[in-house]
Amino acid sequence: NAGVTQTPKFRILKIGQSMTLQCTQDMNHNYMYWYRQDPGMGLKLIYYSVGAGITDKGEVPNGYNVSRSTTEDFPLRLELAAPSQTSVYFCASSYRGAEKLFFGSGTQLSVL
Amino acid sequence: KQEVTQIPAALSVPEGENLVLNCSFTDSAIYNLQWFRQDPGKGLTSLLLIQSSQREQTSGRLNASLDKSSGRSTLYIAASQPGDSATYLCAVRQEAGTALIFGKGTTLSVSS
Repeated sequence: NAGVTQTPKFRILKIGQSMTLQCTQDMNHNYMYWYRQDPGMGLKLIYYSVGAGITDKGEVPNGYNVSRSTTEDFPLRLELAAPSQTSVYFCASSYRGAEKLFFGSGTQLSVL
Repeated sequence: KQEVTQIPAALSVPEGENLVLNCSFTDSAIYNLQWFRQDPGKGLTSLLLIQSSQREQTSGRLNASLDKSSGRSTLYIAASQPGDSATYLCAVRQEAGTALIFGKGTTLSVSS
């Protein structure tokens, strides 16, 4: 039972490069989320989705884009990487919007 | 704006001790509250979910309580073990369908 799978686990980017963080879940969850976690800080919500074709901004959306073409996948796109985007990124999902959240193992991203 | 605070930021205890982790939130009108565990380099694992109408939830050696009126929740860990060493985060949800708001966590170290 895979749960929430994130790839890659680690990535180093140069300033201005682009990349996509992949997230897929096999639990048929409707809700999916992207969070970032900076050292010593709580998790901040970047974007979330309540179902295929529906996405919305969270607390810190600038510099990111998302899409949700299927129930299973929720990729996060960084178009022009900046050092401020150095962080650990977590994808999460839940069946409905008020239930337990299941997290992926994270992507550690460094922008140099 | 809802703010979630966890004090202390770090805690060290000897094995076998009972301990309490604290979580406070500024807006008492919450929908539910979750406690998570995060191991170094890993994602978050949901431990307990308390609905706003509940006073406590128990799972094994863990007991979480909720006092909405005072804006506080506690996570009680009985007979602590070295395997309990991790960072514990609490998060509140304001309304059904909205995203969780996280505290910064308490890092627990249990020595044998």
